[in-house]
Amino acid sequence: KQEVTQIPAALSVPEGENLVLNCSFTDSAIYNLQWFRQDPGKGLTSLLLIQSSQREQTSGRLNASLDKSSGRSTLYIAASQPGDSATYLCAVRSGGGADGLTFGKGTHLIIQP
Amino acid sequence: GAGVSQSPSNKVTEKGKDVELRCDPISGHTALYWYRQSLGQGLEFLIYFQGNSAPDKSGLPSDRFSAERTGGSVSTLTIQRTQQEDSAVYLCASSSSGRNTGELFFGEGSRLTVL
Repeated sequence: KQEVTQIPAALSVPEGENLVLNCSFTDSAIYNLQWFRQDPGKGLTSLLLIQSSQREQTSGRLNASLDKSSGRSTLYIAASQPGDSATYLCAVRSGGGADGLTFGKGTHLIIQP
Repeated sequence: GAGVSQSPSNKVTEKGKDVELRCDPISGHTALYWYRQSLGQGLEFLIYFQGNSAPDKSGLPSDRFSAERTGGSVSTLTIQRTQQEDSAVYLCASSSSGRNTGELFFGEGSRLTVL
């Protein structure tokens, strides 16, 4: 059974810092991995999707990497801004379960102005 | 529409009443998912539709919960005889591909409060 862990559970950093959020998974036989952000009281917004054949994806100040063999993905946020404050979740598609998806519990990020 | 649309955004109901939550997926998306997120908790899978195939209902917590998808597009999640523990945000997502591929897009959710 796939398990997804996100560390840290919460993070608070000053504005302008570069930071890394971690996502680890136990079964490396995955199809893809997707990073989301969730603002309070809102739905999930897709940030980046990495297919199993890819090693990284970039969108603006965000860069996500994938190392399937070690069961890890990182989300790198450059030059953080207060608007980046949100909960960041990763979801792994590995075909297990009814929906084929396993979500992490998220990292709650606060960027201090 | 451009994204996944859910209605109502907020619903307050009394214990014992039935509620219906609607999801309008992105046009052309064949896969549709319902999740539940209780306060401070992770996502709990409820049900999955893929095209015209029979849905996978294995995540529905009780027989008070049901869902249908008409014409392979709009979906309705129905909760009968609501209980206070049903209070949560109900999230719908859609994807252009089957369960093993494709980017997942979520709606803004329907917040249900059962008094």
